[in-house]
Amino acid sequence: KAGVTQTPRYLIKTRGQQVTLSCSPISGHRSVSWYQQTPGQGLQFLFEYFSETQRNKGNFPGRFSGRQFSNSRSEMNVSTLELGDSALYLCASSPGLAGRGSEQYFGPGTRLTVT
Amino acid sequence: SQQGEEDPQALSIQEGENATMNCSYKTSINNLQWYRQNSGRGLVHLILIRSNEREKHSGRLRVTLDTSKKSSSLLITASRAADTASYFCATATYAGNNRKLIWGLGTSLAVNP
Repeated sequence: KAGVTQTPRYLIKTRGQQVTLSCSPISGHRSVSWYQQTPGQGLQFLFEYFSETQRNKGNFPGRFSGRQFSNSRSEMNVSTLELGDSALYLCASSPGLAGRGSEQYFGPGTRLTVT
Repeated sequence: SQQGEEDPQALSIQEGENATMNCSYKTSINNLQWYRQNSGRGLVHLILIRSNEREKHSGRLRVTLDTSKKSSSLLITASRAADTASYFCATATYAGNNRKLIWGLGTSLAVNP
């Protein structure tokens, strides 16, 4: 099976702009989770979608949003970018809900730099 | 604040030695998972241990869980240079209807040939 793919791999944006990141999960997986990874904060959970519904949410401001389509592909949007949003954004897919212990498979990430 | 806190932050050993890293957490958990991240393969799931389990093995990996101490340890035996990576623990917690994984900052392991 093909692994989790994320596009784009690298992105440079300026403050105030918005960005959309895309994630294609492993075929058959219904859950997609998004994480932000920075050196200082480590991996921070953003949200998890399962069958097009947001099932879990982390402690991020409303500027961070996401959605999942009927084919399980997911997008994450960040509006009004701030310098602190510079990070590696990881997407993970799993057959079931990650919080219930379903093993997650991670994509390579999108490296977002905000200038 | 982080739920899982790995200890030590960094570890350097020689090939063939064993590596032990620890994870402490603060609230009750449903399960605890260990992941490895390196530049070549990204973030990879290693092992999951449920709250009612005390020990699990997978190849050269041994994970223990002590819920009374809210801690877990990951032991890598007979380490190899390819084990060089960052290791993270992630705890699955329940907060009402919100179930999510909370991650530690990781232990950076260097295995020297």
